[in-house]
Amino acid sequence: SQQGEEDPQALSIQEGENATMNCSYKTSINNLQWYRQNSGRGLVHLILIRSNEREKHSGRLRVTLDTSKKSSSLLITASRAADTASYFCATAALTGGGNKLTFGTGTQLKVEL
Amino acid sequence: DTAVSQTPKYLVTQMGNDKSIKCEQNLGHDTMYWYKQDSKKFLKIMFSYNNKELIINETVPNRFSPKSPDKAHLNLHINSLELGDSAVYFCASSQLFGGDYGYTFGSGTRLTVV
Repeated sequence: SQQGEEDPQALSIQEGENATMNCSYKTSINNLQWYRQNSGRGLVHLILIRSNEREKHSGRLRVTLDTSKKSSSLLITASRAADTASYFCATAALTGGGNKLTFGTGTQLKVEL
Repeated sequence: DTAVSQTPKYLVTQMGNDKSIKCEQNLGHDTMYWYKQDSKKFLKIMFSYNNKELIINETVPNRFSPKSPDKAHLNLHINSLELGDSAVYFCASSQLFGGDYGYTFGSGTRLTVV
């Protein structure tokens, strides 16, 4: 079954505004990752946060993780038109075969000029 | 240099045919994966291989058979294609079973079964 649910499903903002996407998951994890997918392209890894971390920054990205609530958020500050894409959270959990990455349902972000 | 490359990018074929998708990574990663993305953008893992050994095999029809001749290559062969197989298939790779590393994805193969 799907591990992560993302909220909102779609988000439309103006350039320069901040965009916040949320992700909830169901089981214990080793880490949580965020990916971006531009239309018709592959996924690009953005940031990884370990289960013992609460917050992480990378450039204009800020990720938080609350393992007690099994949730994470991705904040993109000062958004640009080039940030228009789908964003997926993915949870990594140990299985009998090593870490398995399970993706959420995605948030479609549109940044308008 | 493309890190994870898949061929072909587009594949249109008739029901009942057999087709293959090839994947190669030049990152030196030990683990490779196949994911399927449906029309609603839902991504689901199909297989993972670590150093040529099958590690994860999700509930996938046995018409799908992965093959890893070496740790840099993971191909996907699909027999007796069905309409429901239409999707985008992504190959990915990572270090050390994933661990605390992100995955590197290929650009995808859009398979259309008619």
